[in-house]
Amino acid sequence: DSGVTQTPKHLITATGQRVTLRCSPRSGDLSVYWYQQSLDQGLQFLIQYYNGEERAKGNILERFSAQQFPDLHSELNLSSLELGDSALYFCASSVNPGTEAFFGQGTRLTVV
Amino acid sequence: QQQVKQSPQSLIVQKGGISIINCAYENTAFDYFPWYQQFPGKGPALLIAIRPDVSEKKEGRFTISFNKSAKQFSLHIMDSQPGDSATYFCAAGSRLTFGEGTQLTVNP
Repeated sequence: DSGVTQTPKHLITATGQRVTLRCSPRSGDLSVYWYQQSLDQGLQFLIQYYNGEERAKGNILERFSAQQFPDLHSELNLSSLELGDSALYFCASSVNPGTEAFFGQGTRLTVV
Repeated sequence: QQQVKQSPQSLIVQKGGISIINCAYENTAFDYFPWYQQFPGKGPALLIAIRPDVSEKKEGRFTISFNKSAKQFSLHIMDSQPGDSATYFCAAGSRLTFGEGTQLTVNP
């Protein structure tokens, strides 16, 4: 158990809908990262937060947004969902950017 | 500038052999280089990491070799075991730019 908790574990939704994925980082970790992993693909960086502030942004679609709350948990919002958004979404956390980062077990999103 | 290239895409070794996976990066500002192991349906698990002030780091059967001038680093798995069969990812930098992954199969 990495100490990073992601909910829900599985999510099935229809095209055009909106979903929210939640991540609770390890105790003491200030930095949160979000990644997308499509079937048999690598880990695509979406966005990184540090202590509530956006620190880095990758190729995140405009339909996607995220935030990190004062209690340091983070949420990834995906809207106007398309079939191609079906993927595993991972959250990771670390004390600071560029230090040991630990991943959650992911949320498997299926868009039908 | 943000890319990390990983090779090979897949690797098959015999039990007891040495598995070697290579990565190359472009951004000289990268100062953190971890390796992750991922089993199907699971989150990546941190194996070992290195910073550019050392050329090698060993933890158990896993060793990272780092060549700053060549902008390359590699993972060596000694005495490879069937349980090591997984996908391995290198990463670099403070936001963790990942390589494409290597599917390792260790035959009994």
